[in-house]
Amino acid sequence: GQQVMQIPQYQHVQEGEDFTTYCNSSTTLSNIQWYKQRPGGHPVFLIQLVKSGEVKKQKRLTFQFGEAKKNSSLHITATQTTDVGTYFCAGPTGANSKLTFGKGITLSVRP
Amino acid sequence: DTAVSQTPKYLVTQMGNDKSIKCEQNLGHDTMYWYKQDSKKFLKIMFSYNNKELIINETVPNRFSPKSPDKAHLNLHINSLELGDSAVYFCASSQGWDRVGYTFGSGTRLTVV
Repeated sequence: GQQVMQIPQYQHVQEGEDFTTYCNSSTTLSNIQWYKQRPGGHPVFLIQLVKSGEVKKQKRLTFQFGEAKKNSSLHITATQTTDVGTYFCAGPTGANSKLTFGKGITLSVRP
Repeated sequence: DTAVSQTPKYLVTQMGNDKSIKCEQNLGHDTMYWYKQDSKKFLKIMFSYNNKELIINETVPNRFSPKSPDKAHLNLHINSLELGDSAVYFCASSQGWDRVGYTFGSGTRLTVV
C-alpha cells in the first residue's frame, strides 16, 4: 500500500550542530505535513507544504517539499535541547485521503 | 481551554475487561479520529468520523467500537481487552476534508495486565 517513510528512526546530535531528516512517499502527495511530539507528549502540527519545491521556515526550522512532491526534508540549524522529540511527516494517502504518518525520527541533543 | 480533551489519561486494567475512552473537541471541527501509538511510536489510524458519520475504519479488531454522538465527541469502547491492546490512544480532530493540521489530544495510556 501507499507508504510514507522516514529513516533512520533515531538520531543523536551535539547541541549546536545542524540536523536534517528526510521523508519519502511511494506516491505523489497533494501535501505533506510535519508534526513534533515531545517526550511524553502528543503530536503537534508544525507546518504543511503544498506546492512542488516549496520551502518554508519557522525560526531555525526549514521545511522543503520535493519537486516531484514525493519527498520532503526538515532541517534544523544549530540544534538546541528544546528541539528534542520525535518528528513525524504525514501525507494524505488512499481512497479517503487518510493522513498516513511516517514512523518518525526521534532526535536527542547532547548539551 | 483545552482544544481536544481525552479521558482518562491513564488506564490500567486486566485482560478480558471492557473499557471506554472519551474524547471531546471544542474547536468546531467536523472530523475526528482515533490513532493508536505503539511502543515504537508508530502512529496508526484506527477510525475517522466526519459529522458523526464513520468514514475510515481501518483493519481493527471488532472488539473496538467507536461512537460519535455528535460532531464534538468521539468515544472509543474496547471489549475483551488483550495484552496487545496496550498502547497510547490519541484522539484528534481537523476541519474539512483537506485534513490540514490535525489537533491531537494529550493521549490515553492504556496498560492491560
